[in-house]
Amino acid sequence: QVQLQESGPGLVKPSGTLSLSCAVSGGSISSNNWWSWVRQPPGKGLEWIGQISHSGGTSYNPSLKSRVSISKDMSKSQFSLKLNSVTAADTAVYYCATVGIAVGRLYFDNWGQGTLVTVSS
Amino acid sequence: QSVLTQPPSVSGAPGQRVTISCIGSSSNIGARYDVHWYQQLPGTAPKLLIYGNNNRPSGVPDRFSGSKSGTSASLAITGLQAEDEADYFCQSYDSSLSGPLFGGGTKLTVL
Repeated sequence: QVQLQESGPGLVKPSGTLSLSCAVSGGSISSNNWWSWVRQPPGKGLEWIGQISHSGGTSYNPSLKSRVSISKDMSKSQFSLKLNSVTAADTAVYYCATVGIAVGRLYFDNWGQGTLVTVSS
Repeated sequence: QSVLTQPPSVSGAPGQRVTISCIGSSSNIGARYDVHWYQQLPGTAPKLLIYGNNNRPSGVPDRFSGSKSGTSASLAITGLQAEDEADYFCQSYDSSLSGPLFGGGTKLTVL
């Protein structure tokens, strides 16, 4: 089974850019998979951020679309998240996940352990 | 605004059966999109528990089952065990969001 590991700064200043990477092991990032980011504010529920397909196509949560970008680097076997103009409301545990897709269904079948990002000066 | 509504908390004694509901709308569950469930143990990442309404990934005990009807879905846990104490989230696809949507989560307490 594919293993995922998030990495990146744990502290970002307000109005700055949050940048995280997700290292993929035990499988190929060029395989026929979709790769996603999900976040969870402390003590709250889960929120889908966006995803990137095996061919590089992306889709984002409309509430974040103007600030978010997801890309992948096949040479490093990783995919990345950038979120601009962050505020305290973006403080959360950020998870990367693989996406299971079929007709009528989309779900997250494998998750990284998550990384806490705090937005504070 | 697209929402999947779950009860904030449920509880049960060891050995009992509990159910967790997930109420959606015509843009998600009612639009025939499948429902999936995740278990999040304290301090850990979510784990896929049920996919495609009622399918269990390898390794998930058959004490866990899912169902869907109309605009709602349910997760049932039988033979409740102390290790089942966790947060549970439902998830579906939403056509208004054009993406996946999560319920607010339900905290299960084993008495």
